[in-house]
Amino acid sequence: RKEVEQDPGPFNVPEGATVAFNCTYSNSASQSFFWYRQDCRKEPKLLMSVYSSGNEDGRFTAQLNRASQYISLLIRDSKLSDSATYLCVVNPRGDMRFGAGTRLTVKP
Amino acid sequence: DAGITQSPRHKVTETGTPVTLRCHQTENHRYMYWYRQDPGHGLRLIHYSYGVKDTDKGEVSDGYSVSRSKTEDFLLTLESATSSQTSVYFCASSGTGDSPLHFGNGTRLTVT
Repeated sequence: RKEVEQDPGPFNVPEGATVAFNCTYSNSASQSFFWYRQDCRKEPKLLMSVYSSGNEDGRFTAQLNRASQYISLLIRDSKLSDSATYLCVVNPRGDMRFGAGTRLTVKP
Repeated sequence: DAGITQSPRHKVTETGTPVTLRCHQTENHRYMYWYRQDPGHGLRLIHYSYGVKDTDKGEVSDGYSVSRSKTEDFLLTLESATSSQTSVYFCASSGTGDSPLHFGNGTRLTVT
């Protein structure tokens, strides 16, 4: 079983839609969690950290469920500029592990 | 963003030749990482370092070695390149083992 698993998508949504991504992880000792965004042929960039109590940054909300070992990302009011691949990252032992990424395309 | 640069940006090499990729960061970050990214696999950890001369294997370390003789530099070496090592390689750094990663621009390596 992979350390970190994501639904690869693709997700194709209209502008203004709400979309949610989930990511499951296998190591219950994992302590830190992140969501990254990657545009085509570019390096990944930090979107947001994920905190135990959940956290929000504008249109983006991240949640952590330790009992079920998953993290989620909710994007509200999708914009064309949100089109990208979203990567979840889990830190099981000081070595950051990435999910394979979920491709999102927002259409006019 | 952390100042982190990779060199070269692109490289084409032949099977069987040694290749070294360089990662340089100016943020005095303790942790540095090498990943490869391939279609369908996402980013996979090759090796990482948690201090000068302190390194550990990631999930796809076979065929790769690393060295960290200075805080700012982390070298990835392919001892004898194979076509399966054609990939995009990303270096990243972070201040602690729990803090977010900052990435370099990537190195596109083609092994013919």
